[in-house]
Amino acid sequence: EPEVTQTPSHQVTQMGQEVILRCVPISNHLYFYWYRQILGQKVEFLVSFYNNEISEKSEIFDDQFSVERPDGSNFTLKIRSTKLEDSAMYFCASSEEYPGSSYNEQFFGPGTRLTVL
Amino acid sequence: DQQVKQNSPSLSVQEGRISILNCDYTNSMFDYFLWYKKYPAEGPTFLISISSIKDKNEDGRFTVFLNKSAKHLSLHIVPSQPGDSAVYFCAASANNAGNMLTFGGGTRLMVKP
Repeated sequence: EPEVTQTPSHQVTQMGQEVILRCVPISNHLYFYWYRQILGQKVEFLVSFYNNEISEKSEIFDDQFSVERPDGSNFTLKIRSTKLEDSAMYFCASSEEYPGSSYNEQFFGPGTRLTVL
Repeated sequence: DQQVKQNSPSLSVQEGRISILNCDYTNSMFDYFLWYKKYPAEGPTFLISISSIKDKNEDGRFTVFLNKSAKHLSLHIVPSQPGDSAVYFCAASANNAGNMLTFGGGTRLMVKP
């Protein structure tokens, strides 16, 4: 069964450093998403991406964050200068677009645990 | 942000019995609702969804009920199995909001053999 994959599974970085989290969405999916879950808190939406541009972003997704689809398979989240409060599980998700459908189910990857020291 | 709430942090049921997980929402613009199951160190796994034009959707042992007037949905699992033990999240989306999901805080279900 197709699945979303993410690398690395765990990333440790020093405060102020740049990190890039990588995702390979399900191959025929057209919508891509990043979410995060800080320990003990809810899963929070960061950004959605469609047709090579951001379609929605939350207040969390400030200028320190960026997303990119550098090739036909990868979808990346970059944090330019990490802060302690960026420590969280980051989940990538993807969904297939049905013409005329109001919504599609999002399928999540296993997550990347980011630890900022 | 309390647009989606799961008021029970945990639920314990006996194997073979029914598990009922509840979720409330406040945003009347939500038009699609989903339930996800999550094991530790894994991503959320999609279980079942329901559109706001329906009041019930069934898939095997899982049934989701939607009460729009009460802004309440529930997930029924019957019969419950020990492998169902996990954290269950409800999530909601609005068609005019780029399909972003708003999650509840989760309910930890423990099914005892």
